[in-house]
Amino acid sequence: QLQLQESGPGLVKPSETLSLTCSVSGGSISSSSYYWGWIRQPPGKGLEWIGNIYYSGSTYYNPSLKSRVTISVDTSKNQFSLTLSSVTAADTAVYYCARRCSSSNCYDYWGQGILVTVSS
Amino acid sequence: QSALTQPASVSGSPGQSITISCTGTSSDVGGYNSVSWYQQHPGKAPKLMISDVSNRPSGVSNRFSGSKSGDTASLTISGLQAEDEADYYCSSYTTSSTWVFGGGTKLTVL
Repeated sequence: QLQLQESGPGLVKPSETLSLTCSVSGGSISSSSYYWGWIRQPPGKGLEWIGNIYYSGSTYYNPSLKSRVTISVDTSKNQFSLTLSSVTAADTAVYYCARRCSSSNCYDYWGQGILVTVSS
Repeated sequence: QSALTQPASVSGSPGQSITISCTGTSSDVGGYNSVSWYQQHPGKAPKLMISDVSNRPSGVSNRFSGSKSGDTASLTISGLQAEDEADYYCSSYTTSSTWVFGGGTKLTVL
């Protein structure tokens, strides 16, 4: 059974960089069938798509975040990561990693999510 | 890209049917058969309920169905049960090779 697990600091100071890692178990991140993504959800609000990455390293980002976001992949560790620079309180959210469906534009496996609070 | 438009809340009694709408544009919902729906219970991760407008993943109850007309997609839940009470989000692929979500709809089972 595929499992995804987010990890990283739960508290980040304003203007600093948020860094999270998603560890994938029960399947290979190098499978040619899948993209891997990050989605976030501010407290009490809706979902916001952040971006996707393929095992080869090709990426797609939300235009509204593109200037601050980098998603990378480490196939040797079966992990992919998110960095978000120059954070503000508006970046406080639960961050989810997820697997894009193999032949559809959806997300079929999700991590449990990690709350990241931006505060001094 | 703007969020897809969903009603903030819907409600229904057990056994009834409800429909949640999701309105976008020709650049997302109307341009692709790539609308998906997610169920989210409080404190939990979203769960895929419908993909490609109307496909149900294995294990999802056949009480859940999806459809689309023009720039508006819909999720219908028939035979409402107490366990269906949750937030529901639509999502669509877009012409920019990105994804966009709806604002979410809170379903209350009366």
